[in-house]
Amino acid sequence: GGIITQTPKFLIGQEGQKLTLKCQQNFNHDTMYWYRQDSGKGLRLIYYSITENDLQKGDLSEGYDASREKKSSFSLTVTSAQKNEMAVFLCASSIGVGGNYAEQFFGPGTRLTVL
Amino acid sequence: QQKVQQSPESLIVPEGGMASLNCTSSDRNVDYFWWYRQHSGKSPKMLMSIFSNGEKEEGRFTVHLNKASLHTSLHIRDSQPSDSALYLCAASTQGGRALIFGTGTTVSVSP
Repeated sequence: GGIITQTPKFLIGQEGQKLTLKCQQNFNHDTMYWYRQDSGKGLRLIYYSITENDLQKGDLSEGYDASREKKSSFSLTVTSAQKNEMAVFLCASSIGVGGNYAEQFFGPGTRLTVL
Repeated sequence: QQKVQQSPESLIVPEGGMASLNCTSSDRNVDYFWWYRQHSGKSPKMLMSIFSNGEKEEGRFTVHLNKASLHTSLHIRDSQPSDSALYLCAASTQGGRALIFGTGTTVSVSP
């Protein structure tokens, strides 16, 4: 088994501020993901990283940057926080992206509030 | 762009009743379907996966897959209040891309 930790659990920022969310996993998984989940809605993919030196944009990448510092960690930066992006940001990891390797395990989330 | 469509958007089921959820992909390269369950305030957790035509049963949960129509369904029998959650369908494809998630079905089981 393994665990995904996300820090911070709650993040409060001002409109226009640059904010960074962090994710660590000890599954030894190759692939990591960042999703945004608006209240009661589905998951929207922001960025993912198939392997340590890879970065792929998802459908919602505009306004965000990501960095895969090492195999176990993946960070997400909100470049200029906006009130309409208050949401829960979920980090996930998987062995890979194909077949049964694509099963994703999720962290507990970071709830972003923008004042 | 590949999409995963789920229906209905929400569902109210009496306790002890059957809940049926649907999911369809538009991508012919899909090789696996996944069902995740997310309780309120928690993270999604994988419930069941299926890649072969037919059905798969685990306890009160049954998943069906029709690969020709790229349609999967999840059925929950003898629904319990603890089954109240957001159910997310996802599809993985050959070709090295991330899972695509649907928008989810919210199930409410009324006592």
